[in-house]
Amino acid sequence: QLVESGGGLVQPGGSLRLSCAASGFSFSSYWMNWVRQAPGKGLEWVANLKHDGSGEYHVESVRGRFTISRDNAKNSLYLQMNSLRVEDTAVYYCVRGSVWNPDFWGQGTLVTVSS
Amino acid sequence: DVVMTQSPLSLPVSLGQPASISCRSSQSLVYSDGNTYLNWFHQRPGQSPRRLIYKVSNRDSGVPDRFSGSGSGTDFTLKISRVEAEDVGVYYCMQGTHWPPTFGQGTRLEIK
Repeated sequence: QLVESGGGLVQPGGSLRLSCAASGFSFSSYWMNWVRQAPGKGLEWVANLKHDGSGEYHVESVRGRFTISRDNAKNSLYLQMNSLRVEDTAVYYCVRGSVWNPDFWGQGTLVTVSS
Repeated sequence: DVVMTQSPLSLPVSLGQPASISCRSSQSLVYSDGNTYLNWFHQRPGQSPRRLIYKVSNRDSGVPDRFSGSGSGTDFTLKISRVEAEDVGVYYCMQGTHWPPTFGQGTRLEIK
């Protein structure tokens, strides 16, 4: 199970930290990802992170503003989002697996960036 | 970025009839290890996506065998042999071969 939290309404330029609590599998063995979906739109990969946290990758649109991280002792994945823009408004999904094998998604948490 | 183009974008189908969705990529999806990392996802209204197919043609656990995937290189297809009511929603193809991973625009399947 993957349960996201931390979403909400934030003003442009603000910050939010999303969390994803994992259970029912060996979290420390899996790459993990954040994928987002703007309201009524398609899917966009945001970032991914190796199982041991040694390699992180962010798409260009969020690079320098968002940071993916994890705490394997807490079975948790995070996304620190700074300098938020209106276009970052989306449901953010926590996804298990590498980019080659993304097999399970959480239910998502809604982030709304608006003044 | 690799562009994934799906067609059709809207697919009205009668119950019990077959359905087919095409997905084309702007570059070959064959990875250096010889695998082709093309996935298919299904998203029901108000739900998160669920993966149906991985590496072109492998069904995930619990996915009915009426779903099948095929293709190679840049041209891929998802087929549903007999559409059931629970199949409504949006279908996405997704490539994981090239960074960043990218999705098709989605195909909305509805019951006619």
